[in-house]
Amino acid sequence: GQQLNQSPQSMFIQEGEDVSMNCTSSSIFNTWLWYKQDPGEGPVLLIALYKAGELTSNGRLTAQFGTTRKDSFLNISASIPSDVGIYFCAGQGAAVNKLTFGGGTRVLVKP
Amino acid sequence: NAGVMQNPRHLVRRRGQEARLRCSPMKGHSHVYWYRQLPEEGLKFMVYLQKENIIDESGMPKERFSAEFPKEGPSILRIQQVVRGDSAAYFCASSPLQGGETQYFGPGTRLLVL
Repeated sequence: GQQLNQSPQSMFIQEGEDVSMNCTSSSIFNTWLWYKQDPGEGPVLLIALYKAGELTSNGRLTAQFGTTRKDSFLNISASIPSDVGIYFCAGQGAAVNKLTFGGGTRVLVKP
Repeated sequence: NAGVMQNPRHLVRRRGQEARLRCSPMKGHSHVYWYRQLPEEGLKFMVYLQKENIIDESGMPKERFSAEFPKEGPSILRIQQVVRGDSAAYFCASSPLQGGETQYFGPGTRLLVL
């Protein structure tokens, strides 16, 4: 089946830093989605991308749909403490009813 | 406008018991999806249902697991004779239309099998 490799698996941030993460796939996706999950909660949609090459922003978040349709990137600028959490990429392929999720990027605050 | 609702939020069962997880989709949504999340992993698709129909159950284990979405009432994910490996967070999502539409997730049910 389709697999998504998400990296990095975890990262430490300091307030004000920019954060970047990405997902790559062995196969093509038609839609890329980025979710954030807080402890004990369900994923919340951050950004949805529908076209290859598309670059979309949502406040301090920017995501891009790779031109090969096999990857996507999420950037968070000027991070703040509430950015801590787990970020998941998800792809939607030919089977439009199911999302394939990456393994997540855990964003933690530097002690 | 209430979001996707799931209950219970936490469920503890002993091995061999049955677990019933309920999901009420967002108002106006007629498509429901169930996902399972093991600790430290991403969500894995289990099943996609519309009212009174199972559309895609390719992610459901072949035994002990079943799902329904009746004409009236919530969608139910049922796990019979639970085993310790069933311990996970189970998330329900809903969308207004099939595919191409964003799936909105509920808060999940965390199942612990003792």
